Amino acid sequence: GAVVSQHPSWVICKSGTSVKIECRSLDFQATTMFWYRQFPKQSLMLMATSNEGSKATYEQGVEKDKFLINHASLTLSTLTVTSAHPEDSSFYICSADRTSGKGETQYFGPGTRLLVL
Amino acid sequence: SQELEQSPQSLIVQEGKNLTINCTSSKTLYGLYWYKQKYGEGLIFLMMLQKGGEEKSHEKITAKLDEKKQQSSLHITASQPSHAGIYLCGADIGSNYKLTFGKGTLLTVNP
Repeated sequence: GAVVSQHPSWVICKSGTSVKIECRSLDFQATTMFWYRQFPKQSLMLMATSNEGSKATYEQGVEKDKFLINHASLTLSTLTVTSAHPEDSSFYICSADRTSGKGETQYFGPGTRLLVL
Repeated sequence: SQELEQSPQSLIVQEGKNLTINCTSSKTLYGLYWYKQKYGEGLIFLMMLQKGGEEKSHEKITAKLDEKKQQSSLHITASQPSHAGIYLCGADIGSNYKLTFGKGTLLTVNP
């Protein structure tokens, strides 16, 4: 099946620093990737849609200047949390859209746990 | 308000028992996905339903989408400890391939 990887799997950083999270589709090309955030015991919340070769589309309430998204190639999207603060601590999950024709078009990465001290 | 309501929020069953998890929306669902998540890990795709009245099964898990495409159920037969985890329903509500998720159901299966 399709595989999506994320790196790093977890990161601890100091408040005010920036953190970059990578999302890669390993065996397929993904024109579209999605970034989600999940707080403890909460559902996944879509943050933004990342489109290769164009600007990301952010959901309402998500600061585009704080969460920088770069979809540099058909297999890589990055999310950079700029000037991270403790309230940004969360579990970040990406998914890559693979239109396989079978319906299960979104494949999820294993997630990145961010802890901001 | 939550666009996708999942129930129950948590469920504890004895091994071998059957169980059902529900996912309900007030809007038409253009695609309904069921995922399983271990805490702090990524999502494992289980099944996807698109047509009203559709039903799919994989091993001991059966998912159904009602005729109105507003409610789905996930049924596990003869549950096992390996079924334990968080079950999430996700749906394409706006027909734009963006998924909205329910809050999840935490399933515990006691041996």
